[in-house]
Amino acid sequence: DTGVSQDPRHKITKRGQNVTFRCDPISEHNRLYWYRQTLGQGPEFLTYFQNEAQLEKSRLLSDRFSAERPKGSFSTLEIQRTEQGDSAMYLCASSLGAGARAGELFFGEGSRLTVL
Amino acid sequence: GDSVTQMEGPVTLSEEAFLTINCTYTATGYPSLFWYVQYPGEGLQLLLKATKADDKGSNKGFEATYRKETTSFHLEKGSVQVSDSAVYFCAHNYGGSQGNLIFGKGTKLSVKP
Repeated sequence: DTGVSQDPRHKITKRGQNVTFRCDPISEHNRLYWYRQTLGQGPEFLTYFQNEAQLEKSRLLSDRFSAERPKGSFSTLEIQRTEQGDSAMYLCASSLGAGARAGELFFGEGSRLTVL
Repeated sequence: GDSVTQMEGPVTLSEEAFLTINCTYTATGYPSLFWYVQYPGEGLQLLLKATKADDKGSNKGFEATYRKETTSFHLEKGSVQVSDSAVYFCAHNYGGSQGNLIFGKGTKLSVKP
């Protein structure tokens, strides 16, 4: 399977714990995005990378959230001191980039976080 | 601010019925417009797109036309199938930015045989 893969698919944690999600994009894609989706809502943009550079962060991305893409390949999204409001599906997407392909994102199946 | 508004669901249709899902947007600049679809148990996938006014995007029998004058991008299909049952999301890349998308809340479509 050469699509976007995310791990873990489900994570249940207690409030205050740290969690980390991993995303492996399609190999030739230089852009990688993180979105968050809650029940009944559309995905909300969190941040994106071009290669290893983090180019934009949403104001939704509080100080407890950090994302990295150290070698321009896979990415991690860490949430520190989780809160119940962090419960959501975290989606990763990748794309070839700007120009004619801008906005053509390939999404993974998501990592569902439940904070108790 | 930039946003996307789409009709609330769920929408339930019989097979071979005509489908319209309304979508309107507010945006600065000249965004591209998209419809994404999420089939049960799968990730979001691009259904169609349009990059400028009066463009028509089409795929799998679905169509949508970029109407700048009404800031709309309504999704249509002439004859739906059971396999079209999914959640449909309208989106735009706000401000014409690189690829960051603003999504609507999604419209769930159920097609009954």
